[in-house]
Amino acid sequence: QKEVEQDPGPLSVPEGAIVSLNCTYSNSAFQYFMWYRQYSRKGPELLMYTYSSGNKEDGRFTAQVDKSSKYISLFIRDSQPSDSATYLCAMSANTGNQFYFGTGTSLTVIP
Amino acid sequence: DAGVIQSPRHEVTEMGQEVTLRCKPISGHDYLFWYRQTMMRGLELLIYFNNNVPIDDSGMPEDRFSAKMPNASFSTLKIQPSEPRDSAVYFCASSLWGPGANVLTFGAGSRLTVL
Repeated sequence: QKEVEQDPGPLSVPEGAIVSLNCTYSNSAFQYFMWYRQYSRKGPELLMYTYSSGNKEDGRFTAQVDKSSKYISLFIRDSQPSDSATYLCAMSANTGNQFYFGTGTSLTVIP
Repeated sequence: DAGVIQSPRHEVTEMGQEVTLRCKPISGHDYLFWYRQTMMRGLELLIYFNNNVPIDDSGMPEDRFSAKMPNASFSTLKIQPSEPRDSAVYFCASSLWGPGANVLTFGAGSRLTVL
């Protein structure tokens, strides 16, 4: 079983839709959870960062962590064509400094 | 800070040639990572350093791959000899480690094509 599972999509939505992206994980030691956005032919850039459980909101983006279910989500409200990218979840534990990545979900927002 | 800087951005070479990829991490970051990204396998960790010392190189695919970090501001990933299956985008990333600081910052990547 992989440490982090992420549906690769692709996901295609109309402009203005609410998008939900998800990852599941198996290691209960994970404490730090990140979402990266990667545009075509670019490096991943940090979008959201949360520590432990709970929600974090930043503009149109909300990250949720449910440690009891080992499940994290990224919600995008009022999606825009500029949100079209691949979204990667990543996580790490308190011990060591390994970062574990999902395979990424490709999102296209259609004008 | 200019972020993580990688060079070259694109490299096209022939099978059997030596390839050297370079990385300058963010000043003050004490961890440096080399990743490889392909469509089939996603992001794979090759090796990471802490304070210039290699900590885990278990992801290095074979002896043809080597990485060095001679000082805190420079690292290289070398492939010798290169093979077509090495074609991928290679990312360097750096991070601080500590409460609230466990976040990777990536460079723009080096796209390698081996013919």
